[in-house]
Amino acid sequence: SQQGEEDPQALSIQEGENATMNCSYKTSINNLQWYRQNSGRGLVHLILIRSNEREKHSGRLRVTLDTSKKSSSLLITASRAADTASYFCATDARGSSYKLIFGSGTRLLVRP
Amino acid sequence: EAGVAQSPRYKIIEKRQSVAFWCNPISGHATLYWYQQILGQGPKLLIQFQNNGVVDDSQLPKDRFSAERLKGVDSTLKIQPAKLEDSAVYLCASSLDGESQETQYFGPGTRLLVL
Repeated sequence: SQQGEEDPQALSIQEGENATMNCSYKTSINNLQWYRQNSGRGLVHLILIRSNEREKHSGRLRVTLDTSKKSSSLLITASRAADTASYFCATDARGSSYKLIFGSGTRLLVRP
Repeated sequence: EAGVAQSPRYKIIEKRQSVAFWCNPISGHATLYWYQQILGQGPKLLIQFQNNGVVDDSQLPKDRFSAERLKGVDSTLKIQPAKLEDSAVYLCASSLDGESQETQYFGPGTRLLVL
């Protein structure tokens, strides 16, 4: 089952604009991660935010986490054509071991 | 540092045939994961190994899917017999110890089409 759901499913913006993607999840988490997937390639880890953190920055990326609303957002500032990709949030889940449960993703298109 | 390697990159088979995928994780990574990613969806974990032992295979369709990691390094995932709904990208990932805060490193995936 999918733990996280991204919103919007697809986003098209002009180069230089900011892109915001949202993720909602269902159960308590230890941390939340964001991954990027370029067309036809594997996923690349972008950033991890722990459950006791509210905001984290990495370069042009800004991630927020609201555990009371079980939601997170990923902001990409000053977007570039190379940012065109699918973006997935992933939450950890306790079981026999830690494992990641991915959302359905947001497909971002940055027009040059 | 070499990344996660997977082969083949593409495979087309007919339903009821068998297929196998191979993965070589990053050197020194104890934990290896196989994911299935259906078009338009996020990856779904099929099986997780810690060294050569299985720690989670709750979502692996065991009537047709099998996986092994005999020497705690390379892994193979097999489907026998394949169904149309198995068409997907199969991603292999590895991480250092399988801890919650770790980054998982993904290979390029094997794109499977079942006709």
